[in-house]
Amino acid sequence: IAGITQAPTSQILAAGRRMTLRCTQDMRHNAMYWYRQDLGLGLRLIHYSNTAGTTGKGEVPDGYSVSRANTDDFPLTLASAVPSQTSVYFCASSDSGEGHGYTFGSGTRLTVV
Amino acid sequence: GQNIDQPTEMTATEGAIVQINCTYQTSGFNGLFWYQQHAGEAPTFLSYNVLDGLEEKGRFSSFLSRSKGYSYLLLKELQMKDSASYLCAVRDSNYQLIWGAGTKLIIKP
Repeated sequence: IAGITQAPTSQILAAGRRMTLRCTQDMRHNAMYWYRQDLGLGLRLIHYSNTAGTTGKGEVPDGYSVSRANTDDFPLTLASAVPSQTSVYFCASSDSGEGHGYTFGSGTRLTVV
Repeated sequence: GQNIDQPTEMTATEGAIVQINCTYQTSGFNGLFWYQQHAGEAPTFLSYNVLDGLEEKGRFSSFLSRSKGYSYLLLKELQMKDSASYLCAVRDSNYQLIWGAGTKLIIKP
């Protein structure tokens, strides 16, 4: 693993089903983030974690939950998927340095039907 | 509210220079980032500005004016591979990134 790994790459999900998107990083970054990206909109923050054991809500948290049991893993769960959650989901991480940007995973394309 | 504005789309010619503008209104300011995102791929970090002025990195430069809430990304000697979306993001007082919707840059031969 080099950087951030997301799984699955893409998924078609029936509405009402539960789904967990996986995210693992090997850079020992403290902070991790989940974004969704929709056409014509900027990246919107769903949930974040500044350090292992803590999480926070972003701009669009409803219908999603996260956990951060350790530094490396930050899974995102959709408890009961709805079509409006069709999107591309990106996991990202950052170091604590001021000028450090975010490193993004390759994304998960989720379609809820 | 917090807002980042960028043009939706720009077109330029291979070998030319293009400037992509970004204006922002945020709750506090702790730095401005530019990212490049090719279609179907993840965003990748290009530049970071926290003080006023120009930061140069090869063919790419980024400028910041905090008093005007304004930044631009300058791309020189454009290549076809520069066709991508360019995302402006500002880190606010809570150290969260606020993202613009991105500017799709189309390079023509």
